[in-house]
Amino acid sequence: AQKITQTQPGMFVQEKEAVTLDCTYDTSDPSYGLFWYKQPSSGEMIFLIYQGSYDQQNATEGRYSLNFQKARKSANLVISASQLGDSAMYFCAMRKGSRDNQGGKLIFGQGTELSVKP
Amino acid sequence: NAGVTQTPKFRVLKTGQSMTLLCAQDMNHEYMYWYRQDPGMGLRLIHYSVGEGTTAKGEVPDGYNVSRLKKQNFLLGLESAAPSQTSVYFCASSYRDTSNQPQHFGDGTRLSIL
Repeated sequence: AQKITQTQPGMFVQEKEAVTLDCTYDTSDPSYGLFWYKQPSSGEMIFLIYQGSYDQQNATEGRYSLNFQKARKSANLVISASQLGDSAMYFCAMRKGSRDNQGGKLIFGQGTELSVKP
Repeated sequence: NAGVTQTPKFRVLKTGQSMTLLCAQDMNHEYMYWYRQDPGMGLRLIHYSVGEGTTAKGEVPDGYNVSRLKKQNFLLGLESAAPSQTSVYFCASSYRDTSNQPQHFGDGTRLSIL
């Protein structure tokens, strides 16, 4: 069965420092996508970054990068130069390829709450 | 740029009452989803639709029904609300169901059942 595990319920980081949020996944499918979403206290879900299972390079989007280690089945999110506005819940999620994937549903981890200190 | 719009944003119901949550998307996406978010459990799929006129069950479908009469709208219904259905409900849409497509979410509906 597919599963996403986020082992850090809460994290603290000093403003302007970098922080890594952990995510491990379990799947036997060769084709899958890994996503990170941000949920601020206002509640909306914001898509941050995507990594494909066949991608050779780690994904980057501005201050966000994804440290993808396929053999270890990990997809950690790195936020560089943390800002106060980065304080939020962060979810790692996985999506299978299009075969028997329940319409391409996302499988979510439990989330990590990040607090940025001034 | 509306994207995915959910109504209402908040609602309080009594046990046994019924209601419908509306999701509308203006991105011409084929695929639409309803998730619920409970503390410590991430989001779980309730029902989904792969196109106009189609619906299918997700992980936690019991107590819910859905309809997709128009491509842009996906309705989630609670026929007889129960306290266990107190949750935050999210609608999402996607252009395709492939693994490289992100899903776009609405802002959520916070539902309390007393």
